[in-house]
Amino acid sequence: QSALTQPPSASGSPGQSVTISCTGTSSDVGGYNYVSWYQQYPGKAPKLMIYEVTKRPSGVPDRFSGSKSGNTASLTVSGLQAEDEADYYCSSHAGSNNLVFGGGTRLTVL
Amino acid sequence: QVQLQESGPGLAKPSETLSLTCTVSGDSVSSGSYYWTWVRQPPGKGLEWIGFIWNTGSTKYKPSLESRVTMSLDTPKNQFSLMLTSVTAADTAVYYCAGGRFYYGMDVWGQGTTVTVSS
Repeated sequence: QSALTQPPSASGSPGQSVTISCTGTSSDVGGYNYVSWYQQYPGKAPKLMIYEVTKRPSGVPDRFSGSKSGNTASLTVSGLQAEDEADYYCSSHAGSNNLVFGGGTRLTVL
Repeated sequence: QVQLQESGPGLAKPSETLSLTCTVSGDSVSSGSYYWTWVRQPPGKGLEWIGFIWNTGSTKYKPSLESRVTMSLDTPKNQFSLMLTSVTAADTAVYYCAGGRFYYGMDVWGQGTTVTVSS
């Protein structure tokens, strides 16, 4: 059960779109449609942004979208805003009710 | 609106047992509306899933922690808890309790509690 692979950092200018990847294996990301994405500000608890690959909880702006292809899931933030600057973590079901997180990506709004 | 609050000692000595509690308000831990979980975050590092507990009391722990972890429900107090035995400095982290209504997506989180393991 290894951690999912995310790029350490990503950046974009206000108004642009940025995509963060989350790579696993056929035993986790590729095997189940149970990828979630979390946003975390420094010193704060994570917030669920995407679940089941593409679904948004109530209250999450539609600027946030999720997708998956093979063993890689992606989070796209469109129309970047200054408030989107945060750490983002993916997670995936890894079989037998196990859960695995990615290492996290720091998103910087230039 | 469901809210979670962690509580427990902020300091533990190496080899001791760490015990944390999560108090739930706005729903019953036994209702089945949520499953419950513990997640930790070492200083400056990423999130690590520790385990799940369901309203029935059934549990699932991260395999690498399974030998040291116990989670339980306290229905009368509307709490769930985490026990981690034989702690070392590597267990120093912010510990979050969380609840989920979606498959493997936790939508309610406590604010987190910092635990330092040091002699």
